[in-house]
Amino acid sequence: AQSVTQLGSHVSVSEGALVLLRCNYSSSVPPYLFWYVQYPNQGLQLLLKYTTGATLVKGINGFEAEFKKSETSFHLTKPSAHMSDAAEYFCAVSEMAYKLSFGAGTTVTVRA
Amino acid sequence: GAGVSQSPRYKVAKRGQDVALRCDPISGHVSLFWYQQALGQGPEFLTYFQNEAQLDKSGLPSDRFFAERPEGSVSTLKIQRTQQEDSAVYLCASSLARVRSNQPQHFGDGTRLSIL
Repeated sequence: AQSVTQLGSHVSVSEGALVLLRCNYSSSVPPYLFWYVQYPNQGLQLLLKYTTGATLVKGINGFEAEFKKSETSFHLTKPSAHMSDAAEYFCAVSEMAYKLSFGAGTTVTVRA
Repeated sequence: GAGVSQSPRYKVAKRGQDVALRCDPISGHVSLFWYQQALGQGPEFLTYFQNEAQLDKSGLPSDRFFAERPEGSVSTLKIQRTQQEDSAVYLCASSLARVRSNQPQHFGDGTRLSIL
């Protein structure tokens, strides 16, 4: 069965500081992995995805994530936080390439 | 259309009433998904359509929940005899390709359902 654990329900960073959001997954087959961002009262927007190939994945808005099979992790990073990065972030895993299982989410606040 | 459109954006119903939530996927998208997002939680899968065929409904929480996509485009999620625990945001997503593809799911803004 597939599942996702996001470590830390709330992360606060200073503007310009590193953003690090942690995600660990469980999957019985090689997984597809995703990060989505959700702004208030909006749907989810895809930041990046890992399917096969290069384990370091670059996404939109300067975010990137690294797939580490040995650690069953897919942590999301951004070198320098911007005020517009304040949102909720969801990690998701898919074994069957259609049914997404989401983590509980991490809310990011950015301090000026 | 430019994106996935859901209506209504907000729905308030009394316990016991039936509700219908609509989803217009991106034109040409084969796959359509419904998710339920409770307050403070991640979305949870409800059901999946490939064109008009409902291939997976394993996430529907009870037989009060019913989804259809009769012409392979617009989909409706119906909840009968609503209960307070049905209060959530219902998200619809669509994807260009069929199952076992790495095509991403594009989400609508959701319908926020409140049961009084």
